[in-house]
Parts: sequence; structure tokens; C-alpha cells
Amino acid sequence: AQSVAQPEDQVNVAEGNPLTVKCTYSVSGNPYLFWYVQYPNRGLQFLLKYITGDNLVKGSYGFEAEFNKSQTSFHLKKPSALVSDSALYFCAVLTSYNTDKLIFGTGTRLQVFP
Amino acid sequence: DAGVIQSPRHEVTEMGQEVTLRCKPISGHNSLFWYRQTMMRGLELLIYFNNNVPIDDSGMPEDRFSAKMPNASFSTLKIQPSEPRDSAVYFCASSYGLQRERNEQFFGPGTRLTVL
Repeated sequence: AQSVAQPEDQVNVAEGNPLTVKCTYSVSGNPYLFWYVQYPNRGLQFLLKYITGDNLVKGSYGFEAEFNKSQTSFHLKKPSALVSDSALYFCAVLTSYNTDKLIFGTGTRLQVFP
Repeated sequence: DAGVIQSPRHEVTEMGQEVTLRCKPISGHNSLFWYRQTMMRGLELLIYFNNNVPIDDSGMPEDRFSAKMPNASFSTLKIQPSEPRDSAVYFCASSYGLQRERNEQFFGPGTRLTVL
């Protein structure tokens, strides 16, 4: 069965430092992977996705994610964190090619301290 | 574009009452999703439609929950009768569906449901 795992419930980072939010996946076949962000009292917002091609995907708000097939990972990164990046981040994977049903991870809360 | 529109934004009701949540997807999108989010269970997909047809309702908790999509611009999620354990934030999302280059989902602001 397709699944994603976010091993960290919370990530703390100082403003200006690089950040990484981890995601690993388990799929049969080639994965379609997504990152979403949820700010307090808001719906989820799409950040970026990997379908095929370049392993480094660039998205909104300066975020990027690196697809690593050998490690089955799709970690979210940003070179310099902002306090405003503090939010809940979700990794997700499409369950198969002929559906658009997403399986979401449990979410990682990112806290950026001034 | 106004994005995905949900109403009401907040709903407080008493146990046993019927609750109807409404969603207007983004114009042109052909897939619509209903999710539920709680602290205990995280984000759960309840049901999704493609071209107004229910494709997967395996996440619908029980017969008290029903969803309809009578046309491409409107969907409802109904709970009858409601119970306190239904208290959650319910999200609607839409997407272009199986077009791989444009299949990201866009979420509405959610409906916060409290059942007393």
C-alpha cells in the first residue's frame, strides 16, 4: 500500500538557519509526491510537487524539496528560515496513476524562533 | 479566482441535529474532495468525486454521513444525526483531477463543526 511517513512531530529552527522537514514514502512504481503547508485556522496550501525529471523541485515561498529514489525520501528544505514559515507541513503521495486520491502524512509542526 | 468556497465557516449544533456543509470548487476543476481534520486522527479523506461522480467513499465513517455533488459547482456533506465525536474541521478541496501537470489540490478555508 502507498504511504508516507513524517518521522518528526515538530522541528525547531532559529530564524536565518536552514531548515529540513523530513518525509519518506512507500509506493509501488514511480511516486508522485507533494508538500502542503497549513497556517493556523487555514486550509492546506500547495507548496510543490515531484512528478518526474529533476530531483530538486522548487516551490512557493523559497521552499524546495529533494527527491531521493534510493532513500525513498522527499525532504522539504529552505536555505534560510523565517519566523513566518512557522506552520504545519504535510507530505503526501498519490496512491496510483489512475486516481487523484492523496495519502497525507501526519504532519510536522515547524517552529522558527527569532 | 475566489478559490474554493465553503460555508458555513463555523457551525455549532446539538447532538442529534442534521448538519449540512457546503462547498463550491474552483471553476474548471473536475475533482472534489472532502476531508476531516482532528487532533487525534489528523487529516482524513472522506470521499472524492470526479466529474460529479463519487469515486471513493471508503473514508466515510458510517451511514450518518452522506455527500452529494449535483453539479460541477456545488457539493454538500451531510451528517444526520450528528454526534459529539463528529466535531472537527471539515475541508473541501478541488483539482483538475487526472491531469498530471495540474493535479495539485486547492483547499477551502474549512468548516469548524462543534457538536454539543
